[in-house]
Amino acid sequence: DIQMTQSPASLSASLGETVTIQCRASEDIYSGLAWYQQKPGKSPQLLIYGASSLQDGVPSRFSGSGSGTQYSLKISSMQTEDEGVYFCQQGLKYPLTFGSGTKLEIK
Amino acid sequence: EVKLVESGGGLVQPGRSLKLSCAASGFNFNDYWMGWVRQAPGKGLEWIGEINKDSSTINYTPSLKDKFTISRDNAQNTLYLQMSKLGSEDTAIYYCAREVYGGFDYWGQGVMVTVSS
Repeated sequence: DIQMTQSPASLSASLGETVTIQCRASEDIYSGLAWYQQKPGKSPQLLIYGASSLQDGVPSRFSGSGSGTQYSLKISSMQTEDEGVYFCQQGLKYPLTFGSGTKLEIK
Repeated sequence: EVKLVESGGGLVQPGRSLKLSCAASGFNFNDYWMGWVRQAPGKGLEWIGEINKDSSTINYTPSLKDKFTISRDNAQNTLYLQMSKLGSEDTAIYYCAREVYGGFDYWGQGVMVTVSS
């Protein structure tokens, strides 16, 4: 199975701050990566697919980048509504696998 | 509006079976692969499996392949998850989701399954 390692496990950011979350795959996933945001008691919401394509309706302050085994999600200006847990997921090989999540809070 | 609504969860005794349903609306169900993902309380996301448009291809995570069965009824716009030999490790929220580009663009609200005597 492809292992997805996220870092950090948690972080806090001030309003307006730039936030970056990392995701490392145990092998090359050729940009087959998605990012999700999950708020307490809610289902995950797709933010980014194909490593860098913004899902419809997602604010442009979210962006994804990376290639090979290393990927990142950037929030260019932290907002209160961005609090939640963020997961990466590889869609290249079966079984599809998720990272363990990054909890993002407002400082 | 795309909607996915899971049902069929609840409390079940260890070793028993349970079947979940996911009613889809707001899109052409026949045109999409669909999947199931679960989340144990306070934990991360685990992919269970997926089914293609005409049910000719079904993929599972290996550890659940012998316990869970995914199916769909395109005439009823419904996805199913048949779970058998349930154990405490299967206690989780179960989500159905629509697949696109190797990810999931729409998710249901989730249904809780609790396995306990």
